[in-house]
Amino acid sequence: KAGVTQTPRYLIKTRGQQVTLSCSPISGHRSVSWYQQTPGQGLQFLFEYFSETQRNKGNFPGRFSGRQFSNSRSEMNVSTLELGDSALYLCASSGTGWAGNTIYFGEGSWLTVV
Amino acid sequence: AQTVTQSQPEMSVQEAETVTLSCTYDTSESDYYLFWYKQPPSRQMILVIRQEAYKQQNATENRFSVNFQKAAKSFSLKISDSQLGDAAMYFCAYRSGQKLVFGQGTRLTINP
Repeated sequence: KAGVTQTPRYLIKTRGQQVTLSCSPISGHRSVSWYQQTPGQGLQFLFEYFSETQRNKGNFPGRFSGRQFSNSRSEMNVSTLELGDSALYLCASSGTGWAGNTIYFGEGSWLTVV
Repeated sequence: AQTVTQSQPEMSVQEAETVTLSCTYDTSESDYYLFWYKQPPSRQMILVIRQEAYKQQNATENRFSVNFQKAAKSFSLKISDSQLGDAAMYFCAYRSGQKLVFGQGTRLTINP
């Protein structure tokens, strides 16, 4: 069974540009969440989607947005990139019932803003 | 809001010995889940062990076990027979609804 898959793994963007990151959850998982990891702030929750609806959102500016498709795949978008957006972005998925109690992570997308 | 605190930024242990990583949390909920994740240099977050708060029995997964003290809001991870492959950042996490609240992490070094 394939794990959580994130693309691209590495990317470099220029300040002011926008970026889109993609995440494919574990087959059968309908909940997808995103986290930002930086040395200074640690791991912070961005948002969570279930059945194409955003259920939870962390304390991030509106430049950070996401969506989920009918096949549960998710994308997150960051517009007007700032240097401080450089981070590892982790996607995670979870199932329902007992299986939904554990959240599984992908390998992350490394974003560098120059 | 829930908070998770890992008071040990770094720990080291000799190969084959036992090490315990500490974690405390703050919550007003009575039913919740706690996790330990491992993040090796590849940066993928790997689930090590989980604990349901309603279970009094401490979770165990092979060489990994927890000491869950609900009243004290403490959730420590014990690694027995440490191996070189255990070297990584370890994060304690509290599940709050559909999101995880993480501690700051403990960097574990294994000395051969």
